[in-house]
Amino acid sequence: DARVTQTPRDKVTEMGQEVTMRCQPILGHNTVFWYRQTMMQGLELLAYFRNRAPLDDSGMPKDRFSAEMPDATLATLKIQPSEPRDSAVYFCASGLGGSGAPAYGYTFGSGTRLTVV
Amino acid sequence: RKEVEQDPGPFNVPEGATVAFNCTYSNSASQSFFWYRQDCRKEPKLLMSVYSSGNEDGRFTAQLNRASQYISLLIRDSKLSDSATYLCVVNPWTDKLIFGTGTRLQVFP
Repeated sequence: DARVTQTPRDKVTEMGQEVTMRCQPILGHNTVFWYRQTMMQGLELLAYFRNRAPLDDSGMPKDRFSAEMPDATLATLKIQPSEPRDSAVYFCASGLGGSGAPAYGYTFGSGTRLTVV
Repeated sequence: RKEVEQDPGPFNVPEGATVAFNCTYSNSASQSFFWYRQDCRKEPKLLMSVYSSGNEDGRFTAQLNRASQYISLLIRDSKLSDSATYLCVVNPWTDKLIFGTGTRLQVFP
């Protein structure tokens, strides 16, 4: 089965440090999403790309978060500097988009569990 | 008002029971609708899409009411393995998927 691969699986870091999360979307998928999940807020869309171009990053705190797709096989989400309130599970998802969400939805990676102390 | 709202539960039901979840959405122009399932400490996985005419997949039935802007999921003959959080998902426009906060289901023996 094709999978979305995320690394690292878990990350514990100190406040103020830079954190980089990586995602390898499913080969051939042209749309990549970054979501953040917390108990209080549920799944929040941070940013998404189509054909590597950022389409929407309105859900992302711009002062400390950045998302990029250096190539079609890699998406990155960086937090600099990190803060305790950034502690959450960060999911990447990919799919084939272009005219609305496909009937089969999108496939999620297993997530990066971030703890900022 | 949240774009997608769900009762967080938990719904505690015995094996074999029928249980139903509802979800409401705020954007009347929404195009696509889904139910995802999320197990504890796992990623969300697509359970089923929701079509205007309603659709069934084994013990699961999904329905959409556009006039009232709600989606439902019915699970018949609940199994222990159905215990999970069920996420209502709406595609308001373009490719974005907006998730509800989920309804937790616990099936007991």
